[in-house]
Amino acid sequence: ETGVTQSPTHLIKTRGQQVTLRCSSQSGHNTVSWYQQALGQGPQFIFQYYREEENGRGNFPPRFSGLQFPNYSSELNVNALELDDSALYLCASSTGSDNEKLFFGSGTQLSVL
Amino acid sequence: DQQVKQNSPSLSVQEGRISILNCDYTNSMFDYFLWYKKYPAEGPTFLISISSIKDKNEDGRFTVFLNKSAKHLSLHIVPSQPGDSAVYFCAASGNFGNEKLTFGTGTRLTIIP
Repeated sequence: ETGVTQSPTHLIKTRGQQVTLRCSSQSGHNTVSWYQQALGQGPQFIFQYYREEENGRGNFPPRFSGLQFPNYSSELNVNALELDDSALYLCASSTGSDNEKLFFGSGTQLSVL
Repeated sequence: DQQVKQNSPSLSVQEGRISILNCDYTNSMFDYFLWYKKYPAEGPTFLISISSIKDKNEDGRFTVFLNKSAKHLSLHIVPSQPGDSAVYFCAASGNFGNEKLTFGTGTRLTIIP
């Protein structure tokens, strides 16, 4: 059983650029959630995808968007990067809305210069 | 607006003693609470949870206590072991765990051998 994998592990971008982060969910999981963890903060919910449809969104602007593919892998896209977007981005997969069974990846550390 | 608060950024405990991590919340709609543990360079992993219909839940060395009137929960680890050194996040959810997680800022626990 493979776990949740995220790529890349680290990324450096400049302000105004666009970035795509990728997540492969754990085998058998059809739900993917994305969280942003800024330095010294807890993870903050960005959005969740269930069977390729957005299924809930946190307090993030529209320049944060996502996709889920038929194999349940997912992408997080951020346009017009700002310095405050520098954070660890965590992907978590599950078989539904059972938060106890939320399996997190190791994250992508994004630095915006 | 921090709805879940962990007021102690760090805690050091002697090996074999009890570790007590605290968490406060402000949103009365939260009815499900979870603790996650995070090692460096890894994603958070689920540790233990409690529903608002209970005031205590035990799993081996880990016990979570919930005081609804005070909007306070705590995680007790006894006896503490060196492998327990990690960052612990308190998280809360509504609809008995079926809604997005709201995380606290975390407490870094260090077990001293």
